[in-house]
Amino acid sequence: AQSVAQPEDQVNVAEGNPLTVKCTYSVSGNPYLFWYVQYPNRGLQFLLKYITGDNLVKGSYGFEAEFNKSQTSFHLKKPSALVSDSALYFCAVSNPDSNYQLIWGAGTKLIIKP
Amino acid sequence: GAVVSQHPSWVICKSGTSVKIECRSLDFQATTMFWYRQFPKQSLMLMATSNEGSKATYEQGVEKDKFLINHASLTLSTLTVTSAHPEDSSFYICSAGGTSGSYNEQFFGPGTRLTVL
Repeated sequence: AQSVAQPEDQVNVAEGNPLTVKCTYSVSGNPYLFWYVQYPNRGLQFLLKYITGDNLVKGSYGFEAEFNKSQTSFHLKKPSALVSDSALYFCAVSNPDSNYQLIWGAGTKLIIKP
Repeated sequence: GAVVSQHPSWVICKSGTSVKIECRSLDFQATTMFWYRQFPKQSLMLMATSNEGSKATYEQGVEKDKFLINHASLTLSTLTVTSAHPEDSSFYICSAGGTSGSYNEQFFGPGTRLTVL
């Protein structure tokens, strides 16, 4: 079965420190990979995506993610965390043959402490 | 580009009434739209896939007669929660299938908070 795993329910990071939010997937073929952020009582905001090409993808708000095909991972990273980065982060994967269908991770709550 | 709107952003209704939520693709045409439900602190749960001019495809466990979906045009899909009950209270998010460059992806609306009293 196809799946996306975000192994950490919550990640705590001190402001100014680097952060990593993990995502691994089990999807056939060459999937598209996405990260979204959700602030309380708000909709999803697109952060970044990997379609093809360079494995390191840069996105909004200083976030980046690295696609690792051998490890089937797409971890989200930021060199220096801000308190305002505190939110819920979702990893999603789509199979290009699936007519837009997305497989969602469970989400990771990121808490940045001042 | 690729902006999706939802209306209303929040709604409070009495138990037993019906509520309609609209999802519009503002600057592109979407033959496929998706409706999700999200419980607090949980991931998105796909309810149904809506294709313009045809019947929606519902995910297992989603009641078709409870959650009526209409996708009558290439820019509008509606979700009607019929005879709403408190357990239908949730955050409903729609998305529209579009292209970014030459790749297909979903573009998300801001969500609708439904509270049934």
